[in-house]
Amino acid sequence: AQSVTQLDSQVPVFEEAPVELRCNYSSSVSVYLFWYVQYPNQGLQLLLKYLSGSTLVKGINGFEAEFNKSQTSFHLRKPSVHISDTAEYFCAVSDREAAGNKLTFGGGTRVLVKP
Amino acid sequence: EAGVAQSPRYKIIEKRQSVAFWCNPISGHATLYWYQQILGQGPKLLIQFQNNGVVDDSQLPKDRFSAERLKGVDSTLKIQPAKLEDSAVYLCASSVTGQVNTEAFFGQGTRLTVV
Repeated sequence: AQSVTQLDSQVPVFEEAPVELRCNYSSSVSVYLFWYVQYPNQGLQLLLKYLSGSTLVKGINGFEAEFNKSQTSFHLRKPSVHISDTAEYFCAVSDREAAGNKLTFGGGTRVLVKP
Repeated sequence: EAGVAQSPRYKIIEKRQSVAFWCNPISGHATLYWYQQILGQGPKLLIQFQNNGVVDDSQLPKDRFSAERLKGVDSTLKIQPAKLEDSAVYLCASSVTGQVNTEAFFGQGTRLTVV
């Protein structure tokens, strides 16, 4: 079984400032890692994913995340946010060994970008 | 390319009533997922279909929830009878296959309020 903890439920940030969203996971097996974004009244959209290889993963809209196996973390960063980045962000994992692609999500971090 | 379609967008029912949600996945996507997203929490997988077969329904409360995917295309999720704690957004997602390297695309969801 896996669990995902997003340490911040809300993150206010000024426009053009950097932002970091923290994600830690717990799992007895190897996992794949994901970040999704949910804009108001919309479904989830994949930002980026880590399957293997380089631990620094670049995604859409200027976001990147770094996988740290020893700290079981997958923090999301953006060097300069825009108003349009206001949304809720979800970290998720899936079991490498299991059939299918069942995602276990964290509780989400709501980002509010202020002008 | 049309996205994942869900209906209705909103539904309000009284406890003990029944309700059904409908999902039309992206054309050609073999895998379909239903997630439950309770306010303030991340989505939780209820059931995963591969074509018209069930891959994982371990977190589906089978005493009141049922789902089907006849002909391996559209899917319906039913709750009977509903409880107050079923109030949530029900998200449908689809992917080409159930493999982790294929992205799952999410619909806008159906927001259910049980009063």
